[in-house]
Amino acid sequence: KNQVEQSPQSLIILEGKNCTLQCNYTVSPFSNLRWYKQDTGRGPVSLTIMTFSENTKSNGRYTATLDADTKQSSLHITASQLSDSASYICVVSPGFQKLVFGTGTRLLVSP
Amino acid sequence: AAGVIQSPRHLIKEKRETATLKCYPIPRHDTVYWYQQGPGQDPQFLISFYEKMQSDKGSIPDRFSAQQFSDYHSELNMSSLELGDSALYFCASSLGGGNEQYFGPGTRLTVT
Repeated sequence: KNQVEQSPQSLIILEGKNCTLQCNYTVSPFSNLRWYKQDTGRGPVSLTIMTFSENTKSNGRYTATLDADTKQSSLHITASQLSDSASYICVVSPGFQKLVFGTGTRLLVSP
Repeated sequence: AAGVIQSPRHLIKEKRETATLKCYPIPRHDTVYWYQQGPGQDPQFLISFYEKMQSDKGSIPDRFSAQQFSDYHSELNMSSLELGDSALYFCASSLGGGNEQYFGPGTRLTVT
């Protein structure tokens, strides 16, 4: 069964600190992996998208890594800001328009 | 840059009523997807359209139907609403089926 699991489920960090979110997937076949940021009540916003051959991709203070062999990905947030407080969703696509959504990590950055 | 537009943003209906949600994709995007996100849940794929034809179907109830029009906008029609239909309904669009999906702001439907 295609599944995407994320950890931790929730996380609280102090402003300015770094954090790393984890994503493990069993989706097959694999087309690409995306990280989305979703503010409460808003639509998910894409942060990064990686294909099989990409190991790392950065978008500002966000850096995503992908290990296709172990089927793991991580999202590293550097120098967190209060506006980083949101849910971060790992989404894996097996292709053909399908997206398998992860359970999400709810991040709270406190002052 | 233009984004995906959804209307209305908020909708309150009573049980057994009907609702129509609208989605206007990013210009030149030919594929539209509908998702339902319950409180604390991840988005669940409902249905998608490519070039005005249904391209994939997910967990869409039989009470719901959708279509994509000639201008590529899409409408999700929901009938015999139930309390459990209360959720955020997202529309996403892409250029072609396998490309990046851009999500709209969502429509919050509350069924009372």
